[in-house]
Parts: sequence; structure tokens; C-alpha cells
Amino acid sequence: DAGVTQSPTHLIKTRGQHVTLRCSPISGHKSVSWYQQVLGQGPQFIFQYYEKEERGRGNFPDRFSARQFPNYSSELNVNALLLGDSALYLCASSLHEKLFFGSGTQLSVL
Amino acid sequence: RKEVEQDPGPFNVPEGATVAFNCTYSNSASQSFFWYRQDCRKEPKLLMSVYSSGNEDGRFTAQLNRASQYISLLIRDSKLSDSATYLCVVIPYGGSQGNLIFGKGTKLSVKP
Repeated sequence: DAGVTQSPTHLIKTRGQHVTLRCSPISGHKSVSWYQQVLGQGPQFIFQYYEKEERGRGNFPDRFSARQFPNYSSELNVNALLLGDSALYLCASSLHEKLFFGSGTQLSVL
Repeated sequence: RKEVEQDPGPFNVPEGATVAFNCTYSNSASQSFFWYRQDCRKEPKLLMSVYSSGNEDGRFTAQLNRASQYISLLIRDSKLSDSATYLCVVIPYGGSQGNLIFGKGTKLSVKP
């Protein structure tokens, strides 16, 4: 069975640009969460979606937005990129009490 | 004060050593606790859940002390393959599996 898949795996952008990251959850999983992991830190919660509804939001500026589609895949959008947005962006899907992470998208902002 | 705090590390130990990681959490209403393992440039993976009664999985033992808001992980007979970053994780009150609070992580290097 396919795990959580994310695309792209790596991305280089410049300050001020916007970016869209994509995530496909494990088949049957209706909840998708997004995390940001800056080098040397633990992952930090950004958003959770369940059945296309936002269920939780972390302490991130409005430049960050997300949505979930009818097939439960999800997109994370970041506008007006800053150097500090450079990080590993992790998507996770869950069913009941277990969370599974994708391998992430490494975003570098120059 | 950060919500989840861990030993700063890194821990450099020889094969066969016993190593202990500690973690504290600030919100007494936190409801669930875990240890995750993260290899370099990879995604975090669940190592084990942590219960007040303590739980053991082979060489790994986890313990929760709710009164002290303290979580521990003990690794016995360390293997080279145990080298990774260990993340202490908490589900806050009212949260769910999708909304985890991670500590900064403690890096473990097991040397031959």
C-alpha cells in the first residue's frame, strides 16, 4: 500500500514568491495535517483538515493557507515567502489513533 | 516556557550502553504522550506511546509521571542502528492525533 506521498520533494524559491505543496494521504485516511520543521527543531503544527474542514491551526501567519479536496488530498500554500520559511514541510494523515508522515518537501527560500 | 522541553543532547554513547532521555511538558491537561524517532533528513516515525503505568518494547522503556509532568525513554543495549534524533511528543488538551506538539529532539549517536 502506498504511504503518504508529498510533492515536490525539493523546491527552491526566492523571497516574495508563493509556493504550493501537495499531499496525498494513505487510502482511507480522512485527516491530513501539515507541519513545518526548521533545521535543528522539532516539527511545528501548521494545520489539520478533516473531511475538507479545518480542524486546527497553529501559530502561523495568514500567509500560510491550506485546503483539502474531496479525495482527501491536500495543498499547503505559502505566499510572500520569507527566508525564514526555508524548512522541511511534512504532511501526515491519520485514521483513528495513529499518525503517518510523508517524507516531506524541502523548501529553500533564497 | 516551551510546551515540550527535552535534554539538549547530543548523546554520544558506545554500543551496548544504556541511555536515558528526559522530557517535560508545561500543560498539565495534556492528554497523550509519545516518543518519535527521526533519522537524518527523513520523516518522524512513531517509536512508542507512553503510559503512566510504563511500557516496554524490547530494549525500549517509556515512562510518564503526570504529577511531575515528566516523560522518559530508556534504551538498553544500544545498537548502531539506534543512532537518530528522538522526539518527545504531546497531544494537548482538546487536541487530536493530527495536532501534535513536538519537542526539539535529542540526537543520539551510538559508536562502535
